[in-house]
Amino acid sequence: NAGVTQTPKFQVLKTGQSMTLQCAQDMNHNSMYWYRQDPGMGLRLIYYSASEGTTDKGEVPNGYNVSRLNKREFSLRLESAAPSQTSVYFCASRRGQVNTEAFFGQGTRLTVV
Amino acid sequence: GENVEQHPSTLSVQEGDSAVIKCTYSDSASNYFPWYKQELGKRPQLIIDIRSNVGEKKDQRIAVTLNKTAKHFSLHITETQPEDSAVYFCAASIRIQGAQKLVFGQGTRLTINP
Repeated sequence: NAGVTQTPKFQVLKTGQSMTLQCAQDMNHNSMYWYRQDPGMGLRLIYYSASEGTTDKGEVPNGYNVSRLNKREFSLRLESAAPSQTSVYFCASRRGQVNTEAFFGQGTRLTVV
Repeated sequence: GENVEQHPSTLSVQEGDSAVIKCTYSDSASNYFPWYKQELGKRPQLIIDIRSNVGEKKDQRIAVTLNKTAKHFSLHITETQPEDSAVYFCAASIRIQGAQKLVFGQGTRLTINP
C-alpha cells in the first residue's frame, strides 16, 4: 500500500495562475482532508470530505475549491493564486466512521511569486 | 466551531528530563484527541491518541492525559532523547453532520539538548 500520495511535491506559481493539487489514498478511507501549514500556525483545515460526493469548509477555505472525484481522490484547486497562499499543503485521510488515525501525504511546498 | 490552543510554542529540555505539552479545546462534543510528531521536512505521524471515555493512556515513554471537565489534554514525554526533537501537534476530533472534523493546535517545537 502506498498510503496517501500527493502531487506535485514542489510548485512555483505566478500570482493569478491556477493549479490543482492532487491527492489519492489506497486505504479505502471515507474521510479526506486538506490542510495548510504555515510557521507558527500549525495545521489549518482548508476543506474536508466525509465521503464521496460530499465536501465541507474548514477554517480557511477562501481562495480554494475542492473536488472529491471518487472515494480515492480528493483534489484542491487554486483558481487565482496569491502570495498569501504560499505554504506547505498536506492531504490526509481517515476511516471516518470511527475515531482513528489520520494518515498524511508527503506534502506539497507551494510558492506564489 | 472547534478551536484548539497549544502551549508552549517552543520547549527546550535537557536530555533525560521530562517534557510536557498542553492543549485546550473549545467544543465539549470533541471525542478523540490524537498527538502527532513531525520531523523536519517530513509528514506528521501519529504517536499516541486518547478517546473521551479514557482519562490517561501510556505507551512506553509517552503518556497522554485528558480532563474532559476542563477541556484540557496533555502530552508527557519522560526520559527524553535527542530523537524526540521535533514539532508536536495536538488535535481534537468532532463529529459534525456525519463527518469527523479534525482540528489541530499550533504546534510545539521541542528541542532536546544533549
